[in-house]
Amino acid sequence: KAGVTQTPRYLIKTRGQQVTLSCSPISGHRSVSWYQQTPGQGLQFLFEYFSETQRNKGNFPGRFSGRQFSNSRSEMNVSTLELGDSALYLCASRQAGSISSYNEQFFGPGTRLTVL
Amino acid sequence: KQEVTQIPAALSVPEGENLVLNCSFTDSAIYNLQWFRQDPGKGLTSLLLIQSSQREQTSGRLNASLDKSSGRSTLYIAASQPGDSATYLCAVLSGSARQLTFGSGTQLTVLP
Repeated sequence: KAGVTQTPRYLIKTRGQQVTLSCSPISGHRSVSWYQQTPGQGLQFLFEYFSETQRNKGNFPGRFSGRQFSNSRSEMNVSTLELGDSALYLCASRQAGSISSYNEQFFGPGTRLTVL
Repeated sequence: KQEVTQIPAALSVPEGENLVLNCSFTDSAIYNLQWFRQDPGKGLTSLLLIQSSQREQTSGRLNASLDKSSGRSTLYIAASQPGDSATYLCAVLSGSARQLTFGSGTQLTVLP
């Protein structure tokens, strides 16, 4: 079974631009979560999507948004990029549901975003 | 609000040593706790998952324990190898939204 995939792996953008990152979860997984990782703040939760609906959102400005498609693939968009948005963006998927083992999270390799 | 702390922040040991990494969390109402490994610039690899009803999990040279009532978990690595060098992250799944909260990690270096 293929793991979580993220595209692109690397991105360089300039301030003010917008960017879209993509995540394909493990087949059969219905939940996709996004995290931002920076040296100063560590791993921070952005949001989670389940069945095409945003279930939870972390403490990030509205410039950060996402969506999930019917095949569970998810995209994350950041508008009006700032220097501080430079980070590794990680996507995680889980099966989700009442069975406890369904809550194990599996992470993709990440997208390294550099804002100049 | 759930908070996760990992001690120590960095650890350097000679090859062959057994070692323990510590993780503590403030809210004991968790669904599970996961230990991850992260190599520089890479994503996270899940090492062990302990459900809230479990006390420990083992995988090869790794053993993780969970004491939910005291808000603590330990990751024990036996007979460490240079290939074990990485950052180890502890994360708890909690809250109605089932959000993962991460510790800041322990950077492990195993010297040959």
